[in-house]
Amino acid sequence: AQTVTQSQPEMSVQEAETVTLSCTYDTSESNYYLFWYKQPPSRQMILVIRQEAYKQQNATENRFSVNFQKAAKSFSLKISDSQLGDTAMYFCAFMTITGNQFYFGTGTSLTVIP
Amino acid sequence: KAGVTQTPRYLIKTRGQQVTLSCSPISGHRSVSWYQQTPGQGLQFLFEYFSETQRNKGNFPGRFSGRQFSNSRSEMNVSTLELGDSALYLCASRGEGSTNEKLFFGSGTQLSVL
Repeated sequence: AQTVTQSQPEMSVQEAETVTLSCTYDTSESNYYLFWYKQPPSRQMILVIRQEAYKQQNATENRFSVNFQKAAKSFSLKISDSQLGDTAMYFCAFMTITGNQFYFGTGTSLTVIP
Repeated sequence: KAGVTQTPRYLIKTRGQQVTLSCSPISGHRSVSWYQQTPGQGLQFLFEYFSETQRNKGNFPGRFSGRQFSNSRSEMNVSTLELGDSALYLCASRGEGSTNEKLFFGSGTQLSVL
């Protein structure tokens, strides 16, 4: 079975500090994509960062970076210099190449404190 | 390019009624997926349509159905509504080729069943 686990339902961080959101997943596939999506109060899901499983180099997008550990099936998101606009629900997800289907975690609600 | 459009944004129904939700994908996208989002459950995959054909289906009862039209617009129908159907229903579209793995979401339809 394909599953995604986000063990931190809620987190908070001081503005300008760094925070790491955890995600583990389970799949028997060897090739897949991993994602972090952000859902602000407006409800619009926005892609934050994407990682291809066959690439060892960790993806980065400005203040957002990931720590991808394929053997451990771990995919954490690090947000540096946290801003008030980072307050949102964050979902970890992966997509298998063969099944062409997405699987999402239960989300982590992040609050940035001024 | 216009984004993914979902209508209506809010809906209130009573048990036993049926409801139809609408989703217009990004122009040129032929794939439309539907997800149910509830607190603590994350996003649960309902189904995906591609070129008017259902390509994938999640584990939801037959009360949940969908269809896609020739212009790629999709509708989701829920019959005999239950209290547990109260949720945010998200629609997402994606392109083909190099953008195949990127989901673009609408703002969702918040359904409340009383």
